[in-house]
Amino acid sequence: DAKTTQPPSMDCAEGRAANLPCNHSTISGNEYVYWYRQIHSQGPQYIIHGLKNNETNEMASLIITEDRKSSTLILPHATLRDTAVYYCIVKASGTYKYIFGTGTRLKVLA
Amino acid sequence: GAVVSQHPSRVICKSGTSVKIECRSLDFQATTMFWYRQFPKQSLMLMATSNEGSKATYEQGVEKDKFLINHASLTLSTLTVTSAHPEDSSFYICSTEPREDYGYTFGSGTRLTVV
Repeated sequence: DAKTTQPPSMDCAEGRAANLPCNHSTISGNEYVYWYRQIHSQGPQYIIHGLKNNETNEMASLIITEDRKSSTLILPHATLRDTAVYYCIVKASGTYKYIFGTGTRLKVLA
Repeated sequence: GAVVSQHPSRVICKSGTSVKIECRSLDFQATTMFWYRQFPKQSLMLMATSNEGSKATYEQGVEKDKFLINHASLTLSTLTVTSAHPEDSSFYICSTEPREDYGYTFGSGTRLTVV
């Protein structure tokens, strides 16, 4: 099963862009990369997902490298409410199961 | 996006009793739902896959007789923690099967404390 690795924690100044990296070197060709975030004591919230093209929505941008071995989630103007744990997930091959890694704990500083 | 309602949000029970957690899909029919457990400062760990009209599939190391899952309809899956012990205290979260546009939708979670 594909696995992801993320830095355990990051700080970002309020109003600045937060760039969260994720490595998924064993990803298969038809597997999507999903990003979620979890604010303390809540269920994870969907942010964005992509296959190979860069994606953008109202919450964030997702940049996927050409070889698909890594990706970066970009929060263009981080706010204090973006403080959360961010999970990069690749769906397990042939199943619907998500395998959660340890995620990145992003702290946005005033 | 999809809406998933999970209840209760918080429950305290005595050791040895059973607790039922409900997960409802409010705006679509979910043939498959997932149950996760999360200990403090740790990531989510998949416990089991709930299948409508059939038996749940449990992950390795999860006791099926302790964590009873029922998926009797396309909109409701329940997790019952039987004979709860303090070590079962955790944050339990359900999710739907993935949707094409936005992946999985998670419930808001249930904080279980066994005293």
